Amino acid sequence: QSVLTQPPSVSAAPGQKVTISCSGSSSNIGNNYVSWYQQLPGTAPKLLIYDNNKRPSGIPDRFSGSKSGTSGTLGITGLQTGDEADYHCGTWDSSLSAEVFGGGTKLTVL
Amino acid sequence: QLQLLESGPGLVKPSETLSLSCTVSGGSISGSAYYWGWIRQPPGKGLEWIANIYYTGSTYYNPSLKSRVTMSVDTSKNQFSLRLSSVTAADTAVYYCARRTTTVVSSWFDTWGQGTLVTVSS
Repeated sequence: QSVLTQPPSVSAAPGQKVTISCSGSSSNIGNNYVSWYQQLPGTAPKLLIYDNNKRPSGIPDRFSGSKSGTSGTLGITGLQTGDEADYHCGTWDSSLSAEVFGGGTKLTVL
Repeated sequence: QLQLLESGPGLVKPSETLSLSCTVSGGSISGSAYYWGWIRQPPGKGLEWIANIYYTGSTYYNPSLKSRVTMSVDTSKNQFSLRLSSVTAADTAVYYCARRTTTVVSSWFDTWGQGTLVTVSS
């Protein structure tokens, strides 16, 4: 059971937009920054978003992040088949004194 | 370009100790803005943070694993290590090492190793 809650799967057609939610509490997302990671099949996670909405160099602006209250959201526009992956959210939990992650969301581009 | 590479046995017997190392290349492990961490992923499941270490040796561990985990760092080798004792089948996972960039108010894992599968079985 993960501390952060993500939908197990989402899907959309190529070219469309999708959002992935990450729900937490005041001890984690509510008072800390959210990061997002993309994990392509059989590979290691890769940083997509940090500090709720910042993109590392090389990440296209099709990927965006936002936070409201105790939830974070990852948005992906102009979906491509190459975006099919697992997406994980993460943050610090001040009560647990631990890094915490969501269970991951599998994105299917139909 | 910073690279991290995990190494260690792929098979560990139940009740024994899992030992892994992570070698950092393309950058110094002694950077002031960075912690170095271990994260694992059981087959078909999500990510679980294990522990972080600073180059000075300061550590903090996942409370759920703290009694079994030890991290260490060797700055001369640009390497850090993980030991997880009394392993069971539940510790079977892909183990990743990663760099954690840290600011005054936030942190994130910006560079990951390729991961190494550790299976606990007799």
